[in-house]
Amino acid sequence: EVQLVESGGGLVQPGRSLRLSCAASGFTFDGYAMHWVRQAPGKGLEWVSGISWNSGTIGYADSVKGRFTISRDNAKNSLYLQMNGLRPEDTALYYCVKGNNYYDFDYWGQGTLVTVSS
Amino acid sequence: QSALTEPASVSGSPGQSITISCTGTSSDVGSYNLVSWYQQHPGQAPKLMIYEDINRPSGVSNRFSGSKSGNTASLTISGLQAEDEADYYCSSYAGGTTLMFVGGTKLTVL
Repeated sequence: EVQLVESGGGLVQPGRSLRLSCAASGFTFDGYAMHWVRQAPGKGLEWVSGISWNSGTIGYADSVKGRFTISRDNAKNSLYLQMNGLRPEDTALYYCVKGNNYYDFDYWGQGTLVTVSS
Repeated sequence: QSALTEPASVSGSPGQSITISCTGTSSDVGSYNLVSWYQQHPGQAPKLMIYEDINRPSGVSNRFSGSKSGNTASLTISGLQAEDEADYYCSSYAGGTTLMFVGGTKLTVL
């Protein structure tokens, strides 16, 4: 059974940093792209960032480019999102998502909540 | 990044068929066979319903089908059931390394 468990969310002041982690199990982690997708309270889904199986392809939404960095450790079956220069508009539930391929998302975690507020 | 658009809401009665559209541009929806659809019930994580425009993952009911014409992709749900009431999102590859979601359509089963 595929399991994706996010951690690292919390309350943080504007301009500060936070690092999200995702522990994956139940599939061959190093065979698949992984993504972060967020959802602001009461709002729709927003793709944040994606990374291919070997980290050779990495993409970011314009809204986070230059502030967020995605990475993965295949030896630890883990995905990360380093978030710097956080803004109130980054407040959202952040989902760790397994790629069916790079272009769509077949398994989702339950999310970790990030709240950016002073 | 361009923005995909969907209607905010759609409704139908049990047993009916409904279609949710997702309109993009020739740079995203119209250029690639890489539109996917997701169902999200309140308080739950989204679920993949259709990928690569028309393909249905294992375990998804065959009442759900995808299609595309030009820059508009569509999700059709036939034999509407109460459990289909949810928010539906489409996403598309937008070139380079970029993906995007649209705002979402709330489906109400009357």
